[in-house]
Amino acid sequence: GNSVTQMEGPVTLSEEAFLTINCTYTATGYPSLFWYVQYPGEGLQLLLKATKADDKGSNKGFEATYRKETTSFHLEKGSVQVSDSAVYFCALKGNFNKFYFGSGTKLNVKP
Amino acid sequence: ETGVTQTPRHLVMGMTNKKSLKCEQHLGHNAMYWYKQSAKKPLELMFVYNFKEQTENNSVPSRFSPECPNSSHLFLHLHTLQPEDSALYLCASSHLLAGRSSGANVLTFGAGSRLTVL
Repeated sequence: GNSVTQMEGPVTLSEEAFLTINCTYTATGYPSLFWYVQYPGEGLQLLLKATKADDKGSNKGFEATYRKETTSFHLEKGSVQVSDSAVYFCALKGNFNKFYFGSGTKLNVKP
Repeated sequence: ETGVTQTPRHLVMGMTNKKSLKCEQHLGHNAMYWYKQSAKKPLELMFVYNFKEQTENNSVPSRFSPECPNSSHLFLHLHTLQPEDSALYLCASSHLLAGRSSGANVLTFGAGSRLTVL
């Protein structure tokens, strides 16, 4: 079946530090992969996506590369800001338009 | 209004009450979803509607009753809930394309309805 596993948080970093949030998946077929972000009091927003192996999704300084050989889609950012503090969700879209989400990783960035 | 709008944003109800959550999307999407978000748990898919037809009921208790009168509106009717049903209920929509796998079709979420059952 399909599932997503991401690192437990919270992750606490100082401003301008390097960020990595790990995400691995199990899927049948060839899923599309996503990172969503949830700011306090809001719903989830799409951050970036990748549709096939070796694709790199990027947005707002965040990047993630679709690694089929390691079934991973780790989120990275070279220099985080306080405004990046949020909960980050890794997700995959399998067949028949079904989406599967991880449990979320809370990021706290301190000035 | 644009995007996906959910009302009410906050709801407190007793176990014997009957209430409804409403979701409306202005994106021209034809698939709508209800998710439940509880602390430290993955998002739980509850229901999926494609072209107004329910295509997924993820073993949700009957005290949750969805209704999709058209492709733009989705309701979640609540009755005789339990305290463990307290959570953030998220509505989402997407464009459903033909075929088993429709590329990077993305979900657009509403801000959620925070439900507290006393």
